[in-house]
Amino acid sequence: DAKTTQPPSMDCAEGRAANLPCNHSTISGNEYVYWYRQIHSQGPQYIIHGLKNNETNEMASLIITEDRKSSTLILPHATLRDTAVYYCIVSDLNNAGNMLTFGGGTRLMVKP
Amino acid sequence: ETGVTQTPRHLVMGMTNKKSLKCEQHLGHNAMYWYKQSAKKPLELMFVYSLEERVENNSVPSRFSPECPNSSHLFLHLHTLQPEDSALYLCASSQDPGMNTEAFFGQGTRLTVV
Repeated sequence: DAKTTQPPSMDCAEGRAANLPCNHSTISGNEYVYWYRQIHSQGPQYIIHGLKNNETNEMASLIITEDRKSSTLILPHATLRDTAVYYCIVSDLNNAGNMLTFGGGTRLMVKP
Repeated sequence: ETGVTQTPRHLVMGMTNKKSLKCEQHLGHNAMYWYKQSAKKPLELMFVYSLEERVENNSVPSRFSPECPNSSHLFLHLHTLQPEDSALYLCASSQDPGMNTEAFFGQGTRLTVV
């Protein structure tokens, strides 16, 4: 079972910031938070990940609360091409590899 | 382009057929994965290979048989499938086992079992 909870869908106006929330209240100390997205009929695409500190890259920013029980993915200026299902995942890391358990995700619709 | 290539992109097969899905990664990664994505369901992890050894099998029926001949290639052999096995099959790779690095996914093979 996925360890995260996300709203099933969200809308965002083109050019505005998209803020996607995720709850992961059972996260353990050494587990990372990953975000992926899946555009229709394509494979998932990595966006960003973090442990405790906020992270930023060319695609997005990740804000993790101090207690690490929730996080928010921010797309600063959403475009129509950002329409996708966004998955928040808590990594299940063991010696075998990074076992990503996907939940239902949030379907983000960016509208003109 | 993610560096992970899957072939074929689409496959239609009968229930008595035998077919294979192929995945190739050019990223120098040591871990490879098979996922299944059925309609309106989350992605399900099927198999994990680390350094060419299978390390995870998530209760997958034996009609799905993975093979990892080397660290760059991963196959999924299919035989006597059922219509409910129709799905998008995704391959992924990541750098090293035991490290928190991102996974790179292929575009998937859309399988239809008739």
